[in-house]
Amino acid sequence: EIQLQESGPGLVKPSQSLSLTCSVTGYTITSGYDWSWIRKFPGNKMEWMGYISYSGSTNYNPSLKSRISITRDTSKNQFFLQLNSVTTEDTATYYCAREAIAALFDYWGQGVMVTVSS
Amino acid sequence: DVVLTQTPSTLSATIGQSVSISCRSSQSLLDSAGNTYLYWYLQRPGQSPQLLIYLVSNLGSGVPNRFSGSGSGTDFTLKISGVEAEDLGVYYCMQATHAPYTFGAGTKLELK
Repeated sequence: EIQLQESGPGLVKPSQSLSLTCSVTGYTITSGYDWSWIRKFPGNKMEWMGYISYSGSTNYNPSLKSRISITRDTSKNQFFLQLNSVTTEDTATYYCAREAIAALFDYWGQGVMVTVSS
Repeated sequence: DVVLTQTPSTLSATIGQSVSISCRSSQSLLDSAGNTYLYWYLQRPGQSPQLLIYLVSNLGSGVPNRFSGSGSGTDFTLKISGVEAEDLGVYYCMQATHAPYTFGAGTKLELK
């Protein structure tokens, strides 16, 4: 069974970097598919943030392009989100997900809530 | 970015009632290859989103057939034929025809 699990700090100070890990079990992230980060803001708004492909290429939402980095550790079957220079507007629940084809997200993590506050 | 406008924002229904959610796009979602990358997701309370419908009208794996999707171009509809208690939550349409992927604002389905 494929499972994704997000982890990381629940509280980040403004201007610092947010770093999250998505650990994948049941499937090797280098075997196929794109591996995405999606966030849900308070009030239900959802935003696709970007992905890293099975080959290691990345694609980011232009609204975040100057602040976001998605990387991976293939030895641990994990991929990571780093979001720099966070503000209170980055407070959200962050999900990692597997993308089977364009925007077809078939497996999701349970989500991790991150609050940006001093 | 493509704006997806979902209506209504809140939907109250009784068990067994049939309901529809509209998703209107600011641009046509038909690409040059003839594909329409429009999806529907449901997020139940306390859970992660799950795929309901892909490519406008195809049922996701394990999704009950009381759910159906239709539409073309800029206008799309999700229909639930006979709401059940497990259907409560927030429904999102999402498009991937135009970069970046974008979501609608969500429709909350609640029991009347």
